[in-house]
Amino acid sequence: KQEVTQIPAALSVPEGENLVLNCSFTDSAIYNLQWFRQDPGKGLTSLLLIQSSQREQTSGRLNASLDKSSGRSTLYIAASQPGDSATYLCAPSGSARQLTFGSGTQLTVLP
Amino acid sequence: EAQVTQNPRYLITVTGKKLTVTCSQNMNHEYMSWYRQDPGLGLRQIYYSMNVEVTDKGDVPEGYKVSRKEKRNFPLILESPSPNQTSLYFCASSRLWDTGELFFGEGSRLTVL
Repeated sequence: KQEVTQIPAALSVPEGENLVLNCSFTDSAIYNLQWFRQDPGKGLTSLLLIQSSQREQTSGRLNASLDKSSGRSTLYIAASQPGDSATYLCAPSGSARQLTFGSGTQLTVLP
Repeated sequence: EAQVTQNPRYLITVTGKKLTVTCSQNMNHEYMSWYRQDPGLGLRQIYYSMNVEVTDKGDVPEGYKVSRKEKRNFPLILESPSPNQTSLYFCASSRLWDTGELFFGEGSRLTVL
């Protein structure tokens, strides 16, 4: 069964810093991996989707990388802003046609 | 506007009283799924559907039923709710399960007394 770990569980940074969120998973037989953002009391918003054949995806200030063989993905946020404050979750999609979510990293960007 | 709509958003009910949480998407997506989110346990998949009339169990299907009679709708049915089903529920959809971006609804907060 897939297990997903996100480190750190919480992170507080001053505005403008570049930061990296980590995601590791135990079963490398995945079809894709998604990074989501969740604001308090809200649903999840997909940020980036990386197919298993890809190494990275970029969207604006966000860059996600995937190393399937080592079971790792990172989300890089450049020039962080207070509006980036949210919980970030990663979710690999496996052969059982299921997404397994990590417990998330709660990010606070201080003005 | 592309969206996944859940109803009700909030519900308080009592043990044993059957209820249905509706989910509808307007993107003609094939894949739909239900999740529950609990503190300390994260998001866990309840049921998913690859297409009309095709459904399968996720990680925590006990006490739930689903149906997929139309492509756009994927209701979650609690035949006899119990307090351990108190949770925040999310419906999601994507064009294809293995390559599509997953779109989530706003969530339905259910309390079972």
